[in-house]
Amino acid sequence: ETGVTQTPRHLVMGMTNKKSLKCEQHLGHNAMYWYKQSAKKPLELMFVYNFKEQTENNSVPSRFSPECPNSSHLFLHLHTLQPEDSALYLCASSQDLALDNSPLHFGNGTRLTVT
Amino acid sequence: QKEVEQNSGPLSVPEGAIASLNCTYSDRGSQSFFWYRQYSGKSPELIMFIYSNGDKEDGRFTAQLNKASQYVSLLIRDSQPSDSATYLCAVNRNYGQNFVFGPGTRLSVLP
Repeated sequence: ETGVTQTPRHLVMGMTNKKSLKCEQHLGHNAMYWYKQSAKKPLELMFVYNFKEQTENNSVPSRFSPECPNSSHLFLHLHTLQPEDSALYLCASSQDLALDNSPLHFGNGTRLTVT
Repeated sequence: QKEVEQNSGPLSVPEGAIASLNCTYSDRGSQSFFWYRQYSGKSPELIMFIYSNGDKEDGRFTAQLNKASQYVSLLIRDSQPSDSATYLCAVNRNYGQNFVFGPGTRLSVLP
């Protein structure tokens, strides 16, 4: 496996369910991110982790709970979501937060539908 | 004023023409600028980045940066139907990896 891998690719869940999104990167990067992409809206940064430590929480509701057990893995735990949370959730990684020219590498995303 | 602005399009160009995609940003402290391509239903993929004023060329793609005007553009020469996608401009501010994305411009290259 190379690059950034996300599972599952598609997820349908009810508002009372609890589910988790998983991301794994095989690039040796130190920083990992969660982004949300809704229709007709720019990519929205949700969380940033650097060396497993959360460095940014972009005012995300508590029904989204991130977890970063190591620099290669990132999870997004979901509970009591709302229909407006339906979106494409993208995981990304980059070499280091200190390197301004280090680009983001995205996973294939999880298409989430909340019913 | 939005931090990163792009025309949403669609921008339609004939096959073989030059496609010009534009992006403006509001934070003068921005240091690095990235262009991503996103096909429908897929994730963004990096095309190129630029951080010095002027032009940077990579194959059929040229990025142009003018920090004084807070403007960055992407030119695609000899456009192909396979270039039809949404092009995202991303700006990295100078404090950590704080990327801000524009809404994207949808490009359609007509055969």
